[in-house]
Formats: sequence, C-alpha cells, structure tokens
Amino acid sequence: EVQLVESGGGVVQPGGSLRLSCADSGSTFDDYTMHWVRQAPGKGLEWVSLINWDGSTTYYADSVKGRFTISRDNSKKSLFLHMNSLRSEDTAFYYCAKSVRYGSGRGDWFDPWGQGTLVTVSS
Amino acid sequence: DIQMTQSPSSLSASVGDRVAINCRASQSISNYLNWYQHKPGKAPKLLIYAASSLQRGVPSRFSGSGSGTDFTLTISSLQPEDFATYYCQESFSTRMYSFGPGTKLEIK
Repeated sequence: EVQLVESGGGVVQPGGSLRLSCADSGSTFDDYTMHWVRQAPGKGLEWVSLINWDGSTTYYADSVKGRFTISRDNSKKSLFLHMNSLRSEDTAFYYCAKSVRYGSGRGDWFDPWGQGTLVTVSS
Repeated sequence: DIQMTQSPSSLSASVGDRVAINCRASQSISNYLNWYQHKPGKAPKLLIYAASSLQRGVPSRFSGSGSGTDFTLTISSLQPEDFATYYCQESFSTRMYSFGPGTKLEIK
C-alpha cells in the first residue's frame, strides 16, 4: 500500500517559492527521521535534507542550504519542504522517505519512499 | 564529503543472466552501504541495507557484499521486472548522504 504521498509540486518562476508536503498514512510517523531526496531530469538521486523525529535536528545539502527549510507536524503526520529563491537547477522530482537514525547518526537506510512530486523552475 | 562511484554506468543483459554492479566509496565507510532500485514514475525501493542484509520482501536473487570502500550488488538470475536503475548510498556521513550516480540495467 502507498504510505507516503507527496504534493505541492508545480511550475514556479526563478526566484519564487514553493512548499512541498508529504503525508504519511502509516501508524508511527513520529518514530522516524524524515528525508527529502530529489532527482533532476536525466540525473541521479540527490539527498536534500533531513529532520529528526521531534524537529530538533535538521541538516541540508550544500546546494540548498539557506534557501530550503524542512519541517514536520507530527500531529498531522506530515513533512514539509519550504523552498525559497528557487533556481532552474532545482527542477526535479522530490521524494520523501523515512529512516531510523541511531545515536551515532550512522547506518540508517531509507524505507519507504513516496512516488514524488515534480517541481519545475522556469520563466 | 564522501564521493560514491558506480560501474558500469549502464548494462545490457538478458533474462536469466547473472549480473554484478559495483560501488566504490572515496573513503572507508565500513558496511554503511545501501542499495536501491528505481523505475521511472515509481518510488525508489530499498533492496539491501548494511551492505549485505536483504530487505524484507525482496527476492533472494538479490544479494550484496563488500565492506570498507568496495561493494557489489549481484542479481543471480535476472527477471523481466529487474530492469531498472540501481543506486548505492552511503550512510557513514552523519550530516549528509551521498548516492552513487546509478547503473541503468537494460534488456539485451
């Protein structure tokens, strides 16, 4: 069954903003670290950002640092990605995914993933 | 930052073939290496975690090996549904993750 569903993608002009959402239909959303991963057209997977279970820890790829903000609402079992100052190189499918990160911060894996939402940055 | 490379970048094979996809890390990552399968328009799927552990529900024809810097994903007997792109991913870094560039497996 589909557990993670992304939404909010669309066409936006360079310099614009967009907010992506990821809804979790599973039962234990707040047990998990959540991630955003993207895939530009014809390219491979690129990790974008993570947020830990209670939102107290966030990390970002250098390519989006200072422009994107990850957040979550555990009461609504939802993950968000606020994207500002969008550039053409941000055009991609954006996927959300779950992982379980242990104390060391190492050794986790992403499962499951959503099917993605497409963001197109173009004038 | 850890750099991940994969070889080959593409591979043509037939149903029933045994294939191997290689992944190399720019520094030792112990066994903190995962493999994913991705088909167009679908969610990426976890196949192997911690270098050699098979994810629940994944067919046993998939296997992973390696540690340190060199890793291999092996498919023992290709099935029609296995034609896809495969990515390795390191989870050694604590503040980021790196994926390999992918290996596209096509039907010969």
